[in-house]
Amino acid sequence: IAGITQAPTSQILAAGRRMTLRCTQDMRHNAMYWYRQDLGLGLRLIHYSNTAGTTGKGEVPDGYSVSRANTDDFPLTLASAVPSQTSVYFCASTPGSEGGYGYTFGSGTRLTVV
Amino acid sequence: GQNIDQPTEMTATEGAIVQINCTYQTSGFNGLFWYQQHAGEAPTFLSYNVLDGLEEKGRFSSFLSRSKGYSYLLLKELQMKDSASYLCAVRDSNYQLIWGAGTKLIIKP
Repeated sequence: IAGITQAPTSQILAAGRRMTLRCTQDMRHNAMYWYRQDLGLGLRLIHYSNTAGTTGKGEVPDGYSVSRANTDDFPLTLASAVPSQTSVYFCASTPGSEGGYGYTFGSGTRLTVV
Repeated sequence: GQNIDQPTEMTATEGAIVQINCTYQTSGFNGLFWYQQHAGEAPTFLSYNVLDGLEEKGRFSSFLSRSKGYSYLLLKELQMKDSASYLCAVRDSNYQLIWGAGTKLIIKP
């Protein structure tokens, strides 16, 4: 089934621990994104990648890093988790950053940092 | 700064029509998107407007006025399954999406 797969679905993480959220798409989309969604706030962009081999910082990049070694995979790493990183994380992709293509979202990772 | 405003919550009756408004102030404009998000699920793409006017897609329509920085999503013949949050997003001059906080739509029988 074409789409985006995120893992894990949910996680409780101790503060200070390192964690990688995985995101894989099979649609050969060039552009990929990581968002966090918090109650009462809009989706906020953490990092993005317009094409394999390139990445960029979004609105809230501090404490997060990404890599884009190939078209399909776009992992998000929390180097040392803090409670303020408790959120729902969505990975998304689109064929290109221009045009009327909607974003396809993964099902999300619910992360709790304690 | 960049800003997208939508009502926090709206209530409507099954079978009726509802209009969800979105106003925006962004650095540049390269299109406006509407998404639907059911509770606990991912957003799904509904519509895209880049030129002024109305785009119709079945029971859903979306309108854009670039000069007014305004859009609305019109839902007709409301069904219980339309109970969800509706997210407005504008693509700015850097081709990044700026998202509103969403409008929670409650449908009553």
